[in-house]
Amino acid sequence: DAGVTQSPTHLIKTRGQQVTLRCSPKSGHDTVSWYQQALGQGPQFIFQYYEEEERQRGNFPDRFSGHQFPNYSSELNVNALLLGDSALYLCASSSPGLGGHEQYFGPGTRLTVT
Amino acid sequence: RKEVEQDPGPFNVPEGATVAFNCTYSNSASQSFFWYRQDCRKEPKLLMSVYSSGNEDGRFTAQLNRASQYISLLIRDSKLSDSATYLCVVNIPNSGYALNFGKGTSLLVTP
Repeated sequence: DAGVTQSPTHLIKTRGQQVTLRCSPKSGHDTVSWYQQALGQGPQFIFQYYEEEERQRGNFPDRFSGHQFPNYSSELNVNALLLGDSALYLCASSSPGLGGHEQYFGPGTRLTVT
Repeated sequence: RKEVEQDPGPFNVPEGATVAFNCTYSNSASQSFFWYRQDCRKEPKLLMSVYSSGNEDGRFTAQLNRASQYISLLIRDSKLSDSATYLCVVNIPNSGYALNFGKGTSLLVTP
């Protein structure tokens, strides 16, 4: 049973560039949430996708956008990168029918903005 | 005030010790509570859900006090492999399944 997978594992970008991160949920899960974890902090909720729509959004600017595909996989896009966007980006999957609040995380993408 | 606050740590304890972590949350409408464990440079992993009646999983016991908006985690007979950061997690009310994480408490178990 494949868990949550994310790609790439590491990424280095320059300030002002754009980045796309990818996530495939755990088998049987249909809800994908994205979190940003800065060094020494807990993960911060960015947004959540269900049925290919953004259902909830945390306190992040519009530079952060996403998408969910029919196979439940998801992308996180960040435009006009800032140095402060350097963080570990975590994808978590869950399913309303399987105890939706119990979320399972992928290994993350470590983004460095220089 | 942060939505989820935890003991700052770090906690350094000898093998075999009992250690307790505390956490408070600010939104009384929250309904789901968890402890996650995060190893260095790895993803958080669900350790256990926390129920109103309290629950135990082997050496781990979690307690919830809704009146005080307080959550605790007790680890008995600490093992070296328990060394990690422990994250207190609370659902964001009316937000689907979004979660609020505490900053985490670091535990180091020494021989």
